Amino acid sequence: GAVVSQHPSRVICKSGTSVKIECRSLDFQATTMFWYRQFPKQSLMLMATSNEGSKATYEQGVEKDKFLINHASLTLSTLTVTSAHPEDSSFYICSASRDRNLGTFGSGTRLTVV
Amino acid sequence: AQKVTQAQTEISVVEKEDVTLDCVYETRDTTYYLFWYKQPPSGELVFLIRRNSFDEQNEISGRYSWNFQKSTSSFNFTITASQVVDSAVYFCALSRMDSSYKLIFGSGTRLLVRP
Repeated sequence: GAVVSQHPSRVICKSGTSVKIECRSLDFQATTMFWYRQFPKQSLMLMATSNEGSKATYEQGVEKDKFLINHASLTLSTLTVTSAHPEDSSFYICSASRDRNLGTFGSGTRLTVV
Repeated sequence: AQKVTQAQTEISVVEKEDVTLDCVYETRDTTYYLFWYKQPPSGELVFLIRRNSFDEQNEISGRYSWNFQKSTSSFNFTITASQVVDSAVYFCALSRMDSSYKLIFGSGTRLLVRP
């Protein structure tokens, strides 16, 4: 149990376009989902926490208008990188958890903006 | 403030050697969780262990063992008889003991096991 699916696994987009990344909990209802970003050879940094049906809470320094997070259902959260630029190229990974339970990570999305 | 330090950026060992990955953490909370994750080249995060702050018993799982020392704020990870498949980046992480499960990661240690 506790499987999280993240799509796409890799995406290349042109500078100025928007990219949507999906994170789905397949066999449980995720009350909380987290989005992390990892630059090459660096650690994972939390970007935002989203709870189903409410606005996401963004970490300091993360632009909420650039990284749009929607957690419309208990099984799906989406991260949209708007007007992507090369500096947004990174590995994005989500984690989904039930109430007071350990989060499960998705497989990650490698975004390359050219 | 919470912080996790993994001072070893990269470790290279020969297969069958034992290797210890260090993790030192800082927190003002009296209760918290500590984690280790493995990130192979494919990128996904593989959960290895979660330890809560009031359980200082060391744990062994096959070739893996963890040494939690609250007095020195350390949570070190040892791989015995390392194998090439152990090559990966290993992250230590810390979270508050609440419902958020927000993880603070260390910078990671890249382990290379050579045949």
